[in-house]
Amino acid sequence: ETGVTQTPRHLVMGMTNKKSLKCEQHLGHNAMYWYKQSAKKPLELMFVYSLEERVENNSVPSRFSPECPNSSHLFLHLHTLQPEDSALYLCASSQDTQGAGELFFGEGSRLTVL
Amino acid sequence: DAKTTQPPSMDCAEGRAANLPCNHSTISGNEYVYWYRQIHSQGPQYIIHGLKNNETNEMASLIITEDRKSSTLILPHATLRDTAVYYCIATRIRGSTLGRLYFGRGTQLTVWP
Repeated sequence: ETGVTQTPRHLVMGMTNKKSLKCEQHLGHNAMYWYKQSAKKPLELMFVYSLEERVENNSVPSRFSPECPNSSHLFLHLHTLQPEDSALYLCASSQDTQGAGELFFGEGSRLTVL
Repeated sequence: DAKTTQPPSMDCAEGRAANLPCNHSTISGNEYVYWYRQIHSQGPQYIIHGLKNNETNEMASLIITEDRKSSTLILPHATLRDTAVYYCIATRIRGSTLGRLYFGRGTQLTVWP
């Protein structure tokens, strides 16, 4: 139990569906992140939020839309995804985006796009 | 961030020490060495980090050579639950977003009974 909870753990969706991934952290952290982990590839940073403001967007397609309504919650809204978007999506949090801190990861949401 | 090189896989008997090496020969003076691990189908888990001195916590010890070109993560008494991919990361902490840690391919450690 890392203090970062992701739901759902598994999601199967069609290319025309709209779904959302949810992340919640109970650690009082100020920074939250979305990562994508495809099979046999390194972790890819997608979005960074600091104090509820998006501070980084690493050229992620617009079919992925993040939302951070408060410092404890982070969403990833999914719309018209492609089969190559199938991956493990990981949420993480840290005290701040700078400094010699550590990242706390959730267990991930395994997404399959049919 | 400096590139790190790790063996793709290692084995260790349960109860023995697991010594995982990492080469970071181009590391600069302001870069820390971080270790994370990822158990299958879970999120990565922080283990330890250090700059120059050796570090120890309840999970592991980190030994950094004097020239800082390499380091070793030591799990003193490996258990089956330590089977995971271990990532060694060199990163600066000022002027760099913490979440930009490059996880690479890591070392798959398999602990056998």
